[in-house]
Amino acid sequence: QVQLQQSGPGLVKPSQTLSLTCAISGDSVSNNNAAWNWIRQSPSRGLEWLGRTYYRSKWYSDYAVSVQSRITINPDTSKNQFSLQLNSLTPEDTAVYYCAGGWAFDIWGQGTTVTVSS
Amino acid sequence: DIVMTQSPDSLAVSLGERATINCKSSQSILYSSNNKDSLTWYQQKPGQPPKLLIHWASTRASGVPDRFSGSGSGTDFTLTISSLQAEDVAVYYCQQYYSIPLTFGGGTKVEIK
Repeated sequence: QVQLQQSGPGLVKPSQTLSLTCAISGDSVSNNNAAWNWIRQSPSRGLEWLGRTYYRSKWYSDYAVSVQSRITINPDTSKNQFSLQLNSLTPEDTAVYYCAGGWAFDIWGQGTTVTVSS
Repeated sequence: DIVMTQSPDSLAVSLGERATINCKSSQSILYSSNNKDSLTWYQQKPGQPPKLLIHWASTRASGVPDRFSGSGSGTDFTLTISSLQAEDVAVYYCQQYYSIPLTFGGGTKVEIK
């Protein structure tokens, strides 16, 4: 049974960087058939896919254009996890952030409520 | 970007009655390799992450009750709850995974009448 466990801060100041981690159990971040995603949800923007990383003999990442200049999603094979970094935060980045596994998102983390405020 | 449009925004259905939710994609999401539509349906209850119900437009995910069914093709899709139960009160979302950016519908809130 695959499970995802998120960790990271819930309060970040404007202009700073959000860093979240998603630890995988029951699967491997290097699984050649998997994809590992970050998604956020807010009342104003609904559910918004931010990006993904996946391994197909080498590592690939895809990002939403809306955050492409500010986002990095990295795998960490030594810890079997993947991470989200989102730079230059504004209050509009306030949302619940989820990690999710799969091409269709069949496994979700528990969610992290992130507030961008000074 | 592929825009996913759901209707209605909300609906109230009596226990045991049928609930129908519609989802329209702005372009075809047919994946040519398997001739299936790249559409999923999720159920989200308050304080929880979304839960996958249906993928490939009509394939129920493991453990999902058979009162949930997905249908449609091309650009028009439907989620049907054949006999609404109290535990089905939730917001339902469609999503396409045909092309990036992966996009979601705006959600349909299902309540008990």
